[in-house]
Amino acid sequence: AQKVTQAQTEISVVEKEDVTLDCVYETRDTTYYLFWYKQPPSGELVFLIRRNSFDEQNEISGRYSWNFQKSTSSFNFTITASQVVDSAVYFCALIEGAQKLVFGQGTRLTINP
Amino acid sequence: DAGITQSPRHKVTETGTPVTLRCHQTENHRYMYWYRQDPGHGLRLIHYSYGVKDTDKGEVSDGYSVSRSKTEDFLLTLESATSSQTSVYFCAISDGGRSGALAKNIQYFGAGTRLSVL
Repeated sequence: AQKVTQAQTEISVVEKEDVTLDCVYETRDTTYYLFWYKQPPSGELVFLIRRNSFDEQNEISGRYSWNFQKSTSSFNFTITASQVVDSAVYFCALIEGAQKLVFGQGTRLTINP
Repeated sequence: DAGITQSPRHKVTETGTPVTLRCHQTENHRYMYWYRQDPGHGLRLIHYSYGVKDTDKGEVSDGYSVSRSKTEDFLLTLESATSSQTSVYFCAISDGGRSGALAKNIQYFGAGTRLSVL
Protein backbone atom coordinates (compact mmCIF):
# COMPACT_ATOMS: atom_id res chain seq x y z
CA ALA A 1 0.00 0.00 0.00
CA GLN A 2 1.13 3.52 -0.64
CA LYS A 3 2.19 5.69 2.25
CA VAL A 4 3.57 9.19 2.71
CA THR A 5 5.54 10.21 5.78
CA GLN A 6 6.28 13.75 6.83
CA ALA A 7 8.28 13.22 9.97
CA GLN A 8 8.52 16.91 10.85
CA THR A 9 5.29 17.84 12.59
CA GLU A 10 6.22 21.45 13.24
CA ILE A 11 9.09 23.68 12.19
CA SER A 12 9.76 27.20 13.37
CA VAL A 13 12.41 29.45 11.86
CA VAL A 14 13.27 33.10 11.73
CA GLU A 15 12.50 35.06 8.60
CA LYS A 16 15.12 34.84 5.85
CA GLU A 17 16.36 31.46 6.97
CA ASP A 18 16.27 28.57 4.53
CA VAL A 19 14.07 25.65 5.52
CA THR A 20 13.61 22.15 4.11
CA LEU A 21 10.47 20.07 4.54
CA ASP A 22 11.01 16.34 4.28
CA CYS A 23 8.76 13.84 2.53
CA VAL A 24 9.34 10.10 2.25
CA TYR A 25 6.98 7.85 0.35
CA GLU A 26 6.30 4.16 -0.17
CA THR A 27 4.80 2.66 -3.28
CA ARG A 28 4.99 -0.59 -5.20
CA ASP A 29 4.20 1.02 -8.52
CA THR A 30 6.79 2.19 -11.01
CA THR A 31 4.43 4.90 -12.27
CA TYR A 32 3.24 7.43 -9.74
CA TYR A 33 2.90 11.15 -9.10
CA LEU A 34 4.07 13.21 -6.16
CA PHE A 35 2.59 16.51 -5.05
CA TRP A 36 3.06 19.32 -2.59
CA TYR A 37 0.14 21.40 -1.34
CA LYS A 38 0.13 24.46 0.90
CA GLN A 39 -2.60 25.20 3.44
CA PRO A 40 -2.30 28.77 4.74
CA PRO A 41 -4.09 29.90 7.91
CA SER A 42 -7.15 30.79 5.83
CA GLY A 43 -7.67 27.05 5.30
CA GLU A 44 -7.73 26.50 1.57
CA LEU A 45 -5.46 23.95 -0.09
CA VAL A 46 -3.18 25.36 -2.75
CA PHE A 47 -1.46 23.15 -5.30
CA LEU A 48 2.30 23.84 -5.53
CA ILE A 49 3.90 21.18 -7.68
CA ARG A 50 3.45 17.81 -9.35
CA ARG A 51 6.28 15.45 -10.23
CA ASN A 52 5.94 12.14 -12.04
CA SER A 53 8.06 9.13 -11.24
CA PHE A 54 9.98 9.30 -14.51
CA ASP A 55 11.19 12.84 -14.02
CA GLU A 56 13.92 13.15 -11.43
CA GLN A 57 14.97 16.64 -12.37
CA ASN A 58 14.92 19.07 -9.52
CA GLU A 59 12.68 22.06 -9.95
CA ILE A 60 13.03 25.64 -8.85
CA SER A 61 10.26 28.21 -8.78
CA GLY A 62 11.36 31.48 -7.28
CA ARG A 63 12.26 30.83 -3.64
CA TYR A 64 10.84 27.30 -3.79
CA SER A 65 12.75 24.24 -4.90
CA TRP A 66 12.02 20.54 -4.87
CA ASN A 67 14.46 17.63 -4.72
CA PHE A 68 13.11 14.30 -5.97
CA GLN A 69 15.30 11.24 -5.32
CA LYS A 70 13.90 7.85 -6.26
CA SER A 71 16.86 6.07 -4.67
CA THR A 72 15.78 7.26 -1.24
CA SER A 73 12.02 7.59 -2.04
CA SER A 74 12.10 11.21 -1.03
CA PHE A 75 10.58 14.39 -2.40
CA ASN A 76 11.84 17.25 -0.27
CA PHE A 77 10.77 20.88 -0.46
CA THR A 78 13.08 23.80 0.30
CA ILE A 79 12.10 27.41 0.85
CA THR A 80 14.99 29.82 0.46
CA ALA A 81 15.01 33.13 2.32
CA SER A 82 11.75 32.34 4.07
CA GLN A 83 9.10 35.01 4.58
CA VAL A 84 6.27 35.35 7.08
CA VAL A 85 3.78 34.68 4.26
CA ASP A 86 5.27 31.19 3.91
CA SER A 87 3.76 30.25 7.25
CA ALA A 88 1.34 27.42 6.54
CA VAL A 89 0.82 23.70 6.78
CA TYR A 90 2.48 21.89 3.90
CA PHE A 91 1.32 18.51 2.67
CA CYS A 92 3.14 16.01 0.54
CA ALA A 93 0.95 13.54 -1.36
CA LEU A 94 1.20 10.57 -3.72
CA ILE A 95 -1.03 9.15 -6.45
CA GLU A 96 -0.63 5.75 -7.98
CA GLY A 97 -3.07 3.82 -10.13
CA ALA A 98 -6.63 4.70 -9.34
CA GLN A 99 -6.40 8.47 -9.01
CA LYS A 100 -6.55 8.43 -5.22
CA LEU A 101 -4.33 10.87 -3.40
CA VAL A 102 -2.65 9.72 -0.21
CA PHE A 103 -1.49 12.57 1.98
CA GLY A 104 1.20 12.82 4.58
CA GLN A 105 0.21 14.22 7.95
CA GLY A 106 1.53 17.65 7.11
CA THR A 107 4.26 19.92 8.46
CA ARG A 108 3.26 23.14 10.17
CA LEU A 109 5.80 25.80 9.23
CA THR A 110 5.99 29.00 11.23
CA ILE A 111 8.15 31.86 10.02
CA ASN A 112 8.85 34.36 12.77
CA PRO A 113 9.68 37.98 11.96
CA ASP B 1 -8.82 29.35 -9.54
CA ALA B 2 -10.58 26.08 -10.27
CA GLY B 3 -14.36 26.56 -10.24
CA ILE B 4 -15.30 24.55 -7.17
CA THR B 5 -18.01 25.59 -4.74
CA GLN B 6 -18.76 23.81 -1.51
CA SER B 7 -21.95 24.40 0.41
CA PRO B 8 -22.59 25.02 3.17
CA ARG B 9 -19.29 26.42 4.38
CA HIS B 10 -20.19 25.93 8.02
CA LYS B 11 -22.76 23.70 9.66
CA VAL B 12 -23.64 22.76 13.20
CA THR B 13 -25.94 19.82 13.67
CA GLU B 14 -27.04 17.35 16.30
CA THR B 15 -26.12 13.71 16.65
CA GLY B 16 -28.48 11.47 14.70
CA THR B 17 -29.58 14.01 12.13
CA PRO B 18 -28.91 13.59 8.41
CA VAL B 19 -26.52 16.00 6.74
CA THR B 20 -25.77 16.58 3.07
CA LEU B 21 -22.78 18.50 1.79
CA ARG B 22 -22.66 19.69 -1.79
CA CYS B 23 -19.76 20.14 -4.16
CA HIS B 24 -20.33 21.94 -7.43
CA GLN B 25 -17.76 22.33 -10.22
CA THR B 26 -17.73 24.34 -13.42
CA GLU B 27 -14.65 22.68 -14.95
CA ASN B 28 -16.37 19.62 -16.43
CA HIS B 29 -13.76 17.40 -14.77
CA ARG B 30 -14.42 13.69 -14.67
CA TYR B 31 -13.14 12.95 -11.17
CA MET B 32 -14.55 14.34 -7.94
CA TYR B 33 -13.50 13.51 -4.39
CA TRP B 34 -14.53 14.01 -0.80
CA TYR B 35 -11.86 14.20 1.93
CA ARG B 36 -11.98 14.89 5.60
CA GLN B 37 -9.24 16.68 7.51
CA ASP B 38 -8.58 15.98 11.16
CA PRO B 39 -5.65 16.98 13.38
CA GLY B 40 -2.85 14.44 13.19
CA HIS B 41 -4.32 12.67 10.18
CA GLY B 42 -3.81 15.01 7.28
CA LEU B 43 -6.49 14.53 4.64
CA ARG B 44 -8.17 11.19 4.19
CA LEU B 45 -10.28 10.11 1.26
CA ILE B 46 -13.93 9.30 2.01
CA HIS B 47 -15.38 8.58 -1.43
CA TYR B 48 -14.64 9.52 -4.99
CA SER B 49 -16.42 9.53 -8.33
CA TYR B 50 -14.99 8.77 -11.75
CA GLY B 51 -18.12 9.71 -13.69
CA VAL B 52 -21.85 10.23 -13.41
CA LYS B 53 -23.29 7.51 -11.17
CA ASP B 54 -19.81 5.94 -10.84
CA THR B 55 -18.45 6.10 -7.32
CA ASP B 56 -16.07 4.16 -5.11
CA LYS B 57 -15.04 4.03 -1.49
CA GLY B 58 -11.98 5.60 -0.01
CA GLU B 59 -10.06 5.02 3.18
CA VAL B 60 -12.71 6.23 5.65
CA SER B 61 -16.06 5.59 3.97
CA ASP B 62 -18.03 4.09 6.88
CA GLY B 63 -21.00 6.28 7.82
CA TYR B 64 -20.93 8.21 4.54
CA SER B 65 -22.67 7.86 1.20
CA VAL B 66 -22.29 9.83 -2.01
CA SER B 67 -24.20 10.49 -5.17
CA ARG B 68 -23.36 12.00 -8.52
CA SER B 69 -26.31 12.45 -10.84
CA LYS B 70 -24.68 15.22 -12.89
CA THR B 71 -21.08 15.85 -13.90
CA GLU B 72 -20.98 19.10 -11.97
CA ASP B 73 -22.41 17.97 -8.63
CA PHE B 74 -21.09 15.51 -6.04
CA LEU B 75 -23.05 15.10 -2.82
CA LEU B 76 -21.77 13.70 0.45
CA THR B 77 -24.40 12.45 2.91
CA LEU B 78 -24.06 11.56 6.55
CA GLU B 79 -27.19 9.48 7.10
CA SER B 80 -27.06 9.82 10.88
CA ALA B 81 -24.35 12.18 12.01
CA THR B 82 -22.10 11.24 14.93
CA SER B 83 -19.67 13.34 16.96
CA SER B 84 -16.75 11.48 15.34
CA GLN B 85 -17.78 13.03 12.04
CA THR B 86 -17.00 16.50 13.30
CA SER B 87 -14.34 17.57 10.83
CA VAL B 88 -13.44 19.82 7.94
CA TYR B 89 -14.61 18.36 4.65
CA PHE B 90 -12.93 19.15 1.37
CA CYS B 91 -14.12 18.45 -2.13
CA ALA B 92 -11.59 18.09 -4.94
CA ILE B 93 -11.75 17.71 -8.70
CA SER B 94 -9.34 16.31 -11.26
CA ASP B 95 -9.21 15.69 -14.96
CA GLY B 96 -8.11 12.20 -14.04
CA GLY B 97 -4.82 12.08 -15.87
CA ARG B 98 -5.89 11.62 -19.43
CA SER B 99 -3.12 10.13 -21.47
CA GLY B 100 -0.94 12.35 -23.55
CA ALA B 101 0.25 15.88 -23.20
CA LEU B 102 -2.97 17.12 -21.63
CA ALA B 103 -2.76 14.82 -18.66
CA LYS B 104 -2.47 16.75 -15.46
CA ASN B 105 -3.64 14.43 -12.71
CA ILE B 106 -3.75 17.39 -10.36
CA GLN B 107 -6.49 17.63 -7.77
CA TYR B 108 -7.86 21.08 -7.05
CA PHE B 109 -9.68 21.67 -3.82
CA GLY B 110 -12.72 23.61 -2.72
CA ALA B 111 -12.66 25.96 0.23
CA GLY B 112 -13.89 23.33 2.69
CA THR B 113 -16.92 22.83 4.92
CA ARG B 114 -16.53 22.94 8.68
CA LEU B 115 -19.02 20.52 10.23
CA SER B 116 -19.68 20.27 13.94
CA VAL B 117 -21.84 17.43 15.27
CA LEU B 118 -22.99 18.09 18.83
